[in-house]
Amino acid sequence: DAGVIQSPRHEVTEMGQEVTLRCKPISGHNSLFWYRQTMMRGLELLIYFNNNVPIDDSGMPEDRFSAKMPNASFSTLKIQPSEPRDSAVYFCASTKEVFDTLSEAFFGQGTRLTVV
Amino acid sequence: LAKTTQPISMDSYEGQEVNITCSHNNIATNDYITWYQQFPSQGPRFIIQGYKTKVTNEVASLFIPADRKSSTLSLPRVSLSDTAVYYCLVGPNNDMRFGAGTRLTVKP
Repeated sequence: DAGVIQSPRHEVTEMGQEVTLRCKPISGHNSLFWYRQTMMRGLELLIYFNNNVPIDDSGMPEDRFSAKMPNASFSTLKIQPSEPRDSAVYFCASTKEVFDTLSEAFFGQGTRLTVV
Repeated sequence: LAKTTQPISMDSYEGQEVNITCSHNNIATNDYITWYQQFPSQGPRFIIQGYKTKVTNEVASLFIPADRKSSTLSLPRVSLSDTAVYYCLVGPNNDMRFGAGTRLTVKP
């Protein structure tokens, strides 16, 4: 398997524009996580899906952020409208969650977003 | 209240054994302990996980005392390439929240 695939790797956009980040989890994994990482705030969990259903979105910073998982092999994180403070590296991770056990999470290479 | 507490940074020299301790006083019965490593410009990578006593793999060892209120990640004979941030996570499978981690710097 190619691992978790994120696109694009880099994105530069102007303030106010819509940004869509994409993630393809590892085949057979049933849990997917979106993170944001900055120097100031570290690695923040934004949202967690299990079997394509959002389970915990308490980390989504505001209504400008939305995430979807239409099927087991694809997820998007959308920011509309984008602001300079959204500049960060966004990571996607997936795991094969099995009841009462702990599975290792595999992370993508991340998308470096710059909003100017 | 933070679930885990780790030192912010540590320095070591090549060839030394490094031990990074994580405190998790409020660990629950069904919580596991997992450690991740993150290099600059990369996503975190799983190192090791355990529930109690000692776990060892080809990369590291994890020591967990009987009360499970702390754990120690042990890296044998570190090299310059082990310079990274190390995160301790405590929780069930779906609680993938990272703390600040420990920034390990290995010097020649």
